[in-house]
This record gives sequence, structure tokens and C-alpha cells, in this order.
Amino acid sequence: DAGITQSPRHKVTETGTPVTLRCHQTENHRYMYWYRQDPGHGLRLIHYSYGVKDTDKGEVSDGYSVSRSKTEDFLLTLESATSSQTSVYFCAISESGGRVSNEQFFGPGTRLTVL
Amino acid sequence: AQSVAQPEDQVNVAEGNPLTVKCTYSVSGNPYLFWYVQYPNRGLQFLLKYITGDNLVKGSYGFEAEFNKSQTSFHLKKPSALVSDSALYFCAVRDGSQGNLIFGKGTKLSVKP
Repeated sequence: DAGITQSPRHKVTETGTPVTLRCHQTENHRYMYWYRQDPGHGLRLIHYSYGVKDTDKGEVSDGYSVSRSKTEDFLLTLESATSSQTSVYFCAISESGGRVSNEQFFGPGTRLTVL
Repeated sequence: AQSVAQPEDQVNVAEGNPLTVKCTYSVSGNPYLFWYVQYPNRGLQFLLKYITGDNLVKGSYGFEAEFNKSQTSFHLKKPSALVSDSALYFCAVRDGSQGNLIFGKGTKLSVKP
């Protein structure tokens, strides 16, 4: 999976608890993305980063925050998890998102269940 | 706003037969289109992309895609399907200057022996 790891791979938590998912890359790519995958919706962008400390919102950002303090790590935080955030979360990286030819490479995913 | 549509939730094909997975798009400006495949419990794998140039794009694992501007389509094809091609396929279009992708809802391909 192109030098991308996600942790944890599986997590079960309770409503109202904070959760942090980690994406780590060894490719030194500038752009990193967090998506969620839900049946019938495909993948939807939550947040993305175009450099250290540079982040922006995606289509479904409500209830999520992100941080990127170094190139290789991109953290996704659910401040107070809700059942609607039960999903599979994927991290992706891209060498240069602004260049039209660059595809994204995906991590293995984190399956999160909020009870 | 950019969007893609995958009109078929599932496609069933016999092994050895040609396969087509359909994708249509709606964009303002030039389209930058991608196909990804997802095997069970795995992340998405890049198959191919259309940026500019030839309308027939060749990709990984023997797949190709045909870009048709007049029909706003970017269908994924393979001349002879394998059982191992069974997976979930996603079409995507680039959105904006930061390289964000908008994905279709996915098409499940089932190849039977």
C-alpha cells in the first residue's frame, strides 16, 4: 500500500468518546487526505493537507478535525464520536495534488465502530 | 460542481468474456479522470487515469478505459475477464486545484468461472 500505514486498523468505541486515527507515510509526499467509505456513498473527502500545518475541509468535515505537525503524519480526530461516524476511514497521499497528473495512493483503512 | 456517476451497482460477467464498467462525468473545464479498484478488506489501488491525449488509456492488470468527450463517459474495459478481477471499482474525477478527488459510488464486479 505505497508506504502508507494507518493505526489502529480496527476500533470499537462508545458514543461521546474522543477518537484519533493516525496515518503515517514514508513517501515524503506533500498532500495527504482523509476519506470515509460508506455503502451507497463511495468515498467522501473529510479533510486534506497540502503541507505541514496546512489543512482544509472536505465535503463531510463536520465533527472531525485534523492536524499535521510533520510531513509523514496526518491525524484525524473525532472530538466526540457519534454512531453516524461508524465507517471505514482511508488515508491517501499524493506527491503534488496541484499537478493534474498525480494520482492518490491509499492506505489499508481503519474500521471504526461507534456504539 | 464536478461529479461522476456509476450507473450500475453490480456487473456480472463470465470468465473469459469482455467486461465493461460504466462511468459518466460532469465537469466544468477539462476532465481529469481516474479508475481505482478495491479488493475485500483492502485500500483502493490505482488502475489508470486520463489527463489528455489518446482517448484509449491503458492501465494495470490488463485494464483499459475509453474516454468519450461527446458522451461524457469514461468506461473501464477488459477484453477477457478473470475470476480474480472480482472486486469493487470506483471512478473518480479531480476537483479543484488541490487535486481532491470526487468518487462515484462504486460498481461491484463479479466474474464467475
